[in-house]
Amino acid sequence: DTEVTQTPKHLVMGMTNKKSLKCEQHMGHRAMYWYKQKAKKPPELMFVYSYEKLSINESVPSRFSPECPNSSLLNLHLHALQPEDSALYLCASRTPTGANYGYTFGSGTRLTVV
Amino acid sequence: GQQVMQIPQYQHVQEGEDFTTYCNSSTTLSNIQWYKQRPGGHPVFLIQLVKSGEVKKQKRLTFQFGEAKKNSSLHITATQTTDVGTYFCAGSLSGGYQKVTFGIGTKLQVIP
Repeated sequence: DTEVTQTPKHLVMGMTNKKSLKCEQHMGHRAMYWYKQKAKKPPELMFVYSYEKLSINESVPSRFSPECPNSSLLNLHLHALQPEDSALYLCASRTPTGANYGYTFGSGTRLTVV
Repeated sequence: GQQVMQIPQYQHVQEGEDFTTYCNSSTTLSNIQWYKQRPGGHPVFLIQLVKSGEVKKQKRLTFQFGEAKKNSSLHITATQTTDVGTYFCAGSLSGGYQKVTFGIGTKLQVIP
């Protein structure tokens, strides 16, 4: 299995809602990432998990809360989001040493905050 | 902080013409990666360059890493409509494998 699976593919949520994005990979990668991508922009790093521990938080607002329950799963819990948080949220994984391999990205969750 | 500049931002070419996108970093990189994102899709890893002066080819695509490991290019020979998309470079600082900085991307349109 060489895929990163993200669910849901689309999500519309109100500013008072709580929702979660899910990401799963079975490639044995021990580094997992959340990226945010706005239209016509490059992916922007949010969080990095290495061996199930949070290693990088790029000063992301607390309304985004990541969780890594095990080496195959990564969640992003959303609460009290703002309309400007609408974007494509991409999960990615790679081997931590990254000797020859880049990121494997999931197909993303397209989030709309209303 | 680290910056990776990428030019051009947009390029329209006739099918069959060549295309090149360039990346330039303000700091020496450990490695540079290239990704392709089709319209409505997600980034797909193309290649990683690690060595100074490295050149790698994938069919019609040629990737180069500069001698100083601060710049890189992707060249496509004889573009096809299947080459349409946005090409991103992404650089890692020396010793830092966990984090890459993406260039702004070059959006390629191929006119049939």
